[in-house]
Amino acid sequence: DTEVTQTPKHLVMGMTNKKSLKCEQHMGHRAMYWYKQKAKKPPELMFVYSYEKLSINESVPSRFSPECPNSSLLNLHLHALQPEDSALYLCASSQSGTSGVYEQFFGPGTRLTVL
Amino acid sequence: GENVEQHPSTLSVQEGDSAVIKCTYSDSASNYFPWYKQELGKGPQLIIDIRSNVGEKKDQRIAVTLNKTAKHFSLHITETQPEDSAVYFCAASGSARQLTFGSGTQLTVLP
Repeated sequence: DTEVTQTPKHLVMGMTNKKSLKCEQHMGHRAMYWYKQKAKKPPELMFVYSYEKLSINESVPSRFSPECPNSSLLNLHLHALQPEDSALYLCASSQSGTSGVYEQFFGPGTRLTVL
Repeated sequence: GENVEQHPSTLSVQEGDSAVIKCTYSDSASNYFPWYKQELGKGPQLIIDIRSNVGEKKDQRIAVTLNKTAKHFSLHITETQPEDSAVYFCAASGSARQLTFGSGTQLTVLP
């Protein structure tokens, strides 16, 4: 099973709202990732969690706050977003994020619209 | 950091023909090169990958070749079918051991 699940599929929020994106995998992977993807562009790395610890933060604004409650779950908390944050948010997981590069498997994404 | 260039940005082929997408990378330390297929409204799907100790890898109608000296790798799809229509991304692992993606190729297979 190489499935990464994400909820919700779609999210519309105002600039003053607080919302969360959720990601789950049951492949025993120890690295999990958040990517942002704008239309007709490649995914851009936002955060990497390795063994439930934040290992990479690609200079993402503080209005995006990641959380890894356990090895299977990854959340992205959103607060005071801007319209330009509207995008497809992708979660991915891999066997490990620190010792070489392993296959990364992506979820279907959450389509976020900020009004 | 790593820089990956991908060409062409769009590619149209007749059903049954072959399609080739090419990528170049800049970081000589990169040793892992995956290819992803992304259909409309879906997340990227890993379709094939290659590591630097291998020059070619095949999986049914899909093959990837790697030239480490020239720092380029290519995706080859033979006997294309309409369901192959999608955006394809190449990627390379740089010194930071995280993936850097190419800009993507929109492949259209015409029936």
